[in-house]
Amino acid sequence: NAGVTQTPKFQVLKTGQSMTLQCAQDMNHNSMYWYRQDPGMGLRLIYYSASEGTTDKGEVPNGYNVSRLNKREFSLRLESAAPSQTSVYFCASIRTGSGGEQYFGPGTRLTVT
Amino acid sequence: DQQVKQNSPSLSVQEGRISILNCDYTNSMFDYFLWYKKYPAEGPTFLISISSIKDKNEDGRFTVFLNKSAKHLSLHIVPSQPGDSAVYFCAALNDYKLSFGAGTTVTVRA
Repeated sequence: NAGVTQTPKFQVLKTGQSMTLQCAQDMNHNSMYWYRQDPGMGLRLIYYSASEGTTDKGEVPNGYNVSRLNKREFSLRLESAAPSQTSVYFCASIRTGSGGEQYFGPGTRLTVT
Repeated sequence: DQQVKQNSPSLSVQEGRISILNCDYTNSMFDYFLWYKKYPAEGPTFLISISSIKDKNEDGRFTVFLNKSAKHLSLHIVPSQPGDSAVYFCAALNDYKLSFGAGTTVTVRA
């Protein structure tokens, strides 16, 4: 049982390049989330998927797109990376009815130059 | 507009003493409040939670108190241990979404 896994762990992009961050969970959770963490700002919600087949914007969705490929996988895409997207990205999942207890992946550290 | 605030960015405490972390919120629609712990280069891990209908929840060395009238919650760690040194995030749940505070870095001194 691996929990929540994320790839890659580290990535450096040039401004304007695109990439997809991958996330998978093996806990049969319905809901999945993408956050970014910046110094002094805690974790901010980018997008979430309450259930397979649905996605919704969070607090900071601009510049990102997501795909809920199936119940296990939820990917985050940067179409044209900008230096402001330099951050640590976390994926999380939650069991419905658990009262908010989310399980987080180890994170992806992204640098855009 | 930040709905969950942790006004103390850092806390230093001696081993064996009590650590008290504070958190304030503005949205009265939150129905669960949670604390997460984060070590460097790892994802946050769930620590303890409390429903909005309760005022206290205890789990071993960790106790969370909720004061709904003041829109304030706190986490007490007794006794503090060196392994408690980490960043602690307060979070609040509404409609499937968590809102996080900026975090408090706790350092436990030997």
